[in-house]
Amino acid sequence: ETGVTQSPTHLIKTRGQQVTLRCSSQSGHNTVSWYQQALGQGPQFIFQYYREEENGRGNFPPRFSGLQFPNYSSELNVNALELDDSALYLCASSPKGERLATEAFFGQGTRLTVV
Amino acid sequence: DAKTTQPPSMDCAEGRAANLPCNHSTISGNEYVYWYRQIHSQGPQYIIHGLKNNETNEMASLIITEDRKSSTLILPHATLRDTAVYYCIVRSLDTGRRALTFGSGTRLQVQP
Repeated sequence: ETGVTQSPTHLIKTRGQQVTLRCSSQSGHNTVSWYQQALGQGPQFIFQYYREEENGRGNFPPRFSGLQFPNYSSELNVNALELDDSALYLCASSPKGERLATEAFFGQGTRLTVV
Repeated sequence: DAKTTQPPSMDCAEGRAANLPCNHSTISGNEYVYWYRQIHSQGPQYIIHGLKNNETNEMASLIITEDRKSSTLILPHATLRDTAVYYCIVRSLDTGRRALTFGSGTRLQVQP
């Protein structure tokens, strides 16, 4: 079990609404990444934050945005929700060091259902 | 990041070694091989990673071929709790390219 915690665990939203998902990274980790996992598929990279700045982004539209706070916790915001946004959203944190072959530790995810 | 190819599914008898193969023929010199697994409805769990030497930890062993074009994850004594989807990932450490690129993985079913 890792020290990465996500909230809420489950969420139901209506199409067109906005949602904020939260992630507390493991102690000492300053890099946080977000992934989207649709049913039956592998996780897809959304973006990564390092020292409060976006440090890489996957193929997701601008309505997916994020923040990282001074304590390294993070938020994922999704505007104008679409039915296809229904997925498991995963947060992963990594230890310090940009060029170290470090592992990422994942939280248990937030299951978002858009109706 | 280099693309990986894994069999979609495998079975293994409980107590026997599970050998999960992965092809990564386009891997470049600065790319590591990572293995994660995902048990149903949980977040992915890190297993092991390596560059070119074989690696072993308390969970598994990673065997990387000399040309680095393929690797094998070995679970020495599989248990029912090892039933999961196993992902082989090739990861660059270049700044801005530190994402994990997951494929479809191998669904390992450990049989009693």
